[in-house]
Amino acid sequence: EPEVTQTPSHQVTQMGQEVILRCVPISNHLYFYWYRQILGQKVEFLVSFYNNEISEKSEIFDDQFSVERPDGSNFTLKIRSTKLEDSAMYFCASKPQGAVEKLFFGSGTQLSVL
Amino acid sequence: GQQLNQSPQSMFIQEGEDVSMNCTSSSIFNTWLWYKQDPGEGPVLLIALYKAGELTSNGRLTAQFGITRKDSFLNISASIPSDVGIYFCAGQLVGADGLTFGKGTHLIIQP
Repeated sequence: EPEVTQTPSHQVTQMGQEVILRCVPISNHLYFYWYRQILGQKVEFLVSFYNNEISEKSEIFDDQFSVERPDGSNFTLKIRSTKLEDSAMYFCASKPQGAVEKLFFGSGTQLSVL
Repeated sequence: GQQLNQSPQSMFIQEGEDVSMNCTSSSIFNTWLWYKQDPGEGPVLLIALYKAGELTSNGRLTAQFGITRKDSFLNISASIPSDVGIYFCAGQLVGADGLTFGKGTHLIIQP
């Protein structure tokens, strides 16, 4: 069964460093998302991406965050200067054209900022 | 931002018991979804609801989209050990792309 793949599974970084989280969405999907989940809390929407541009972003997704689809398969989330409060599990998700029930999540990247 | 109030926060039950959890909001949602999250994994969709009043089943799971479009419940009948996990409700507003998640219900089953 096709799945959304995220790498790395764990990332440890120093405060102020830049990190790039990588995702390979399901191959025929057109809509791409990043969500995050701080330990023990709810899943929060960050950004959606369609047709090579951001279609929606939350108030969490400030100027420190950016997304890119550098080629036909990867979808990345960059945090320019990490803060302690960026520590969280980051989930990539993708879906084809159609309803939200076709949205699939990856297993996440656990980001720890020290 | 939008808030979904999910309850209970946690449930400790015996295997074989039925489970009920719900979500409410002050906002009207276009779509309600229920997800399950296992440790170290991303959320997995259980049931999607699109119409007010809709009642949908998926095996032992049943969910309903409230008439007012501001609430939903999920029932699990005859719980088994593999039902352990965190259950999240999520809603999608009209015209929105992202989902708003509840805080989750942590289900623990005692043998």
